[in-house]
Amino acid sequence: QVQLVQFGAGLKRPGDSVKVSCLASGFTFNRYALHWVRQAPGQRLEWMGRINAGNGYTEYSQKFLGRVTITRDTSASTVYMEVSSLTSEDTAIYYCARDLYSTFDYWGQGTPVTVSS
Amino acid sequence: QSVLTQPPSVSAAPGQKVTISCSGSSSNIRNNDVSWYQQLPGTAPKLLIYDNNKRPSGIPDRFSGSKSGTSATLGITGLQTGDEADYYCGTWDSEGYVFGTGTTVIVL
Repeated sequence: QVQLVQFGAGLKRPGDSVKVSCLASGFTFNRYALHWVRQAPGQRLEWMGRINAGNGYTEYSQKFLGRVTITRDTSASTVYMEVSSLTSEDTAIYYCARDLYSTFDYWGQGTPVTVSS
Repeated sequence: QSVLTQPPSVSAAPGQKVTISCSGSSSNIRNNDVSWYQQLPGTAPKLLIYDNNKRPSGIPDRFSGSKSGTSATLGITGLQTGDEADYYCGTWDSEGYVFGTGTTVIVL
C-alpha cells in the first residue's frame, strides 16, 4: 500500500536550517510529483512547493522562494525539504503529500518543527 | 497569496446534513478542479473529494462535492460524531496550490 513516512525535525534555534525527509513506498516513485505543505499551530494548511520525482523539476510558492529547497533521491525513493534562516514563524507541522492529477491523495504523518531560542 | 474563504464552523445534530462553502475567484476555482480534505484532530489531512465531486475509494457517499463558478461546496449527510474535524478545500491558482481557511464541523 502507498505510504509516505517522514523523518527529521525537532527543536531548532532561530537562524538554523532544518531538513525533513519523506520516504515513499508502495508506488513507482519517479512517476509522481510530491509536495510539501505546512500547518502552523491553529492555522490553515499552506502549500510550500513540489518536486517531480522523475525529472527533479521543482516549483515553489512565492512566499518560500529562496528559503526552501526541495530535492529527491530516486535510489532511496525519498524526497527532502530544507528550510533555511528559521524564525519562530516557521514553527509548524510539515507534511509531504503525493500528487495525483493535481490533488493530494496520500499524506505523510507530519513532522513537527519548533523554532525557539 | 490567494486564499479560499470558508466559514469558520458549521454544526448540526447527528443524522443531519451540513454544507461547507468555499469561495474563490477566477484565478483559482473557476478554472481548476477543487479538492476537499478532512483533518481529524491531531492527524494528517485525508483526501475526501477530488475533481469537484469524485470520491476516492473508501470514502462513503455521505460526502459529496459540487462546484459552480468561483465557489465550491462540500456536503455531509447523515452526520456522525466521527465527522467532527476540520475540512479544507483546495485548488490550483496562478501562484501555486491554495487551501481554504478551513471549517470546523461540530456535531451537537
